[in-house]
Amino acid sequence: GDSVTQMEGPVTLSEEAFLTINCTYTATGYPSLFWYVQYPGEGLQLLLKATKADDKGSNKGFEATYRKETTSFHLEKGSVQVSDSAVYFCAISPGKLIFGQGTTLQVKP
Amino acid sequence: GAVVSQHPSWVICKSGTSVKIECRSLDFQATTMFWYRQFPKQSLMLMATSNEGSKATYEQGVEKDKFLINHASLTLSTLTVTSAHPEDSSFYICSAPAEGLANTEAFFGQGTRLTVV
Repeated sequence: GDSVTQMEGPVTLSEEAFLTINCTYTATGYPSLFWYVQYPGEGLQLLLKATKADDKGSNKGFEATYRKETTSFHLEKGSVQVSDSAVYFCAISPGKLIFGQGTTLQVKP
Repeated sequence: GAVVSQHPSWVICKSGTSVKIECRSLDFQATTMFWYRQFPKQSLMLMATSNEGSKATYEQGVEKDKFLINHASLTLSTLTVTSAHPEDSSFYICSAPAEGLANTEAFFGQGTRLTVV
C-alpha cells in the first residue's frame, strides 16, 4: 500500500544552519505531496505542498521539490531559526492523507 | 484560508465515562472528515473517515463500537469515545479536505488532548 518514510529524528541544529529532512514515498499513481508542521501542543498546519512532478512548494523559507523519478519530497531551509523548532510531517494524498512518522527539529540559539 | 474548529482542546475524564469531541468546518462544507489519533512522539494514525449522511469507514484495528462517529451535517462531525479507559488517553485530531479539489490538502483542527484517569 501507499506509504511515506521520513528520516528519523531528532534533528538538532544551531541557529542559521542549513536544514534537510528527507522524505520518500511509495504510491500508486501521482499523489499530491505535503509538509505539515506541528508546534508543541498544537494541531497540524500545512507548511507547503506540491501537486505534480517538478513542482516546488515554498513557504516561510522552507522549500521542497516533487521528484517523481526518486519518489522524494525533501524539505530544506537555508537558515533555521529557534522558532522553527517543531515536528515536521511529510504526507501524501492519494485521497486521504498518509503521514510519515514525523521528524522532530530542535534549533538551539 | 479554511478553518476547522475542534472542541474541546483538552479534556480529563474518569475511566468508564464517555467523551464527545466535535469537529466543525467554519467556512466551508465538508462531506468528508477524517479522525486521527496521535500517540506521544509518534505520527498520526488514521482512525476513520466520517461521511455526511452515511456510516463512517473505520481503519483496520479501530473499534467502531468504542469510537462512535456521527457526521450530523455538512459542517459537523463528532467522535465519541465510549467507556473510556486510560489506554484511550491520546491526542485526537480531525481534518477536512478542501471541497471540490482532487488530491488536495486537508485543514486540521487544533486537536483534543484526552486524559482518562
